[in-house]
Amino acid sequence: QKEVEQNSGPLSVPEGAIASLNCTYSDRGSQSFFWYRQYSGKSPELIMSIYSNGDKEDGRFTAQLNKASQYVSLLIRDSQPSDSATYLCAALLSGGYNKLIFGAGTRLAVHP
Amino acid sequence: DGGITQSPKYLFRKEGQNVTLSCEQNLNHDAMYWYRQDPGQGLRLIYYSQIVNDFQKGDIAEGYSVSREKKESFPLTVTSAQKNPTAFYLCASSIYPGAGTEAFFGQGTRLTVV
Repeated sequence: QKEVEQNSGPLSVPEGAIASLNCTYSDRGSQSFFWYRQYSGKSPELIMSIYSNGDKEDGRFTAQLNKASQYVSLLIRDSQPSDSATYLCAALLSGGYNKLIFGAGTRLAVHP
Repeated sequence: DGGITQSPKYLFRKEGQNVTLSCEQNLNHDAMYWYRQDPGQGLRLIYYSQIVNDFQKGDIAEGYSVSREKKESFPLTVTSAQKNPTAFYLCASSIYPGAGTEAFFGQGTRLTVV
């Protein structure tokens, strides 16, 4: 079982719609989760971090965490073509060495 | 400007050569990470370091080596033992290696074997 799993997509949504990206993780002790956006050929940039159960909102982005289900999601409201990118979910694994592990990423395509 | 600087941006390696990728940060971060990304794939952890003079293997450490002699520097050497080194290499750092900290990336080095 992979430590962090994402649907590779592509996820295609029309402009103005809500894009929903999902991620599951295997380490029940993980406490810190992150969403990064990566444009083609570029390095990942941090969008959201979430550490507690529930929702965390920042502008058009909402991260959701459910530790009981070991599930993290990212909602993008009013999707724009500029949101078209690969979204990477990451988890900081528990234990003494704090490994930061990434999922394979979900490609999002927002079409006008 | 504070940030993470990777150099070179592009690197070409001949078969059997060792090459070293540079990663420098002036953010006073304790933790540093090296990842490899293949086309259409996610990031795979090569090595990470929580503090100066200490580092741990990640999931794909074979054929790679690192050092952490200074807090601001975490160079990655791709040795001739790495049979398929062509990839995009990303360095990241976070203020400390624990829960609740965010990691930020450099611009990456694209390595090609010729």
